[in-house]
Amino acid sequence: GNSVTQMEGPVTLSEEAFLTINCTYTATGYPSLFWYVQYPGEGLQLLLKATKADDKGSNKGFEATYRKETTSFHLEKGSVQVSDSAVYFCALFNNAGNMLTFGGGTRLMVKP
Amino acid sequence: DVKVTQSSRYLVKRTGEKVFLECVQDMDHENMFWYRQDPGLGLRLIYFSYDVKMKEKGDIPEGYSVSREKKERFSLILESASTNQTSMYLCASSLRLAGRTGELFFGEGSRLTVL
Repeated sequence: GNSVTQMEGPVTLSEEAFLTINCTYTATGYPSLFWYVQYPGEGLQLLLKATKADDKGSNKGFEATYRKETTSFHLEKGSVQVSDSAVYFCALFNNAGNMLTFGGGTRLMVKP
Repeated sequence: DVKVTQSSRYLVKRTGEKVFLECVQDMDHENMFWYRQDPGLGLRLIYFSYDVKMKEKGDIPEGYSVSREKKERFSLILESASTNQTSMYLCASSLRLAGRTGELFFGEGSRLTVL
């Protein structure tokens, strides 16, 4: 079956630090991969996506590259801001299942 | 913008009560979903619906049922609430072909406490 594994949080960083949140997956076939973000008190929203191997998704300074050889989709940002404090979810979509499978989420806290 | 509205942000119920969680979306999406969110477990799919009166079980359907009588509305029902159903419940919707994009639109969540 499909599964997504994320690093456990919380991740605490100072403003302008470099961010990496690890995500690895198990899936059959060729899934699409996503990062969703949940800001405090809000629902989840799509942050970025990649639909095939070696694709790079990017948005709001965040990036993630679909690495089929390592089954990974790590989220990175070169310089985090306090406003990036949120919970980040890695997810995959496999056409065979017609639904998203989410990881456990990683809470990021950025201190000024 | 797509809007997914969940009727209650916070509910407190007693064990054994019947609980209704309502969700409405305004973008004519075919697919609707109910997830529960628990710390360390991420989001787990309870039920989803791809059309009016259609429903499919997700990963954790036990203790829940759903109703979709109109395209824009998807209800989650706890027939007899139990304390282990204390959680955050998230509704989401998507276009039928979201399989190609994976983009779900989420409501703000309903935090249910069962005493």
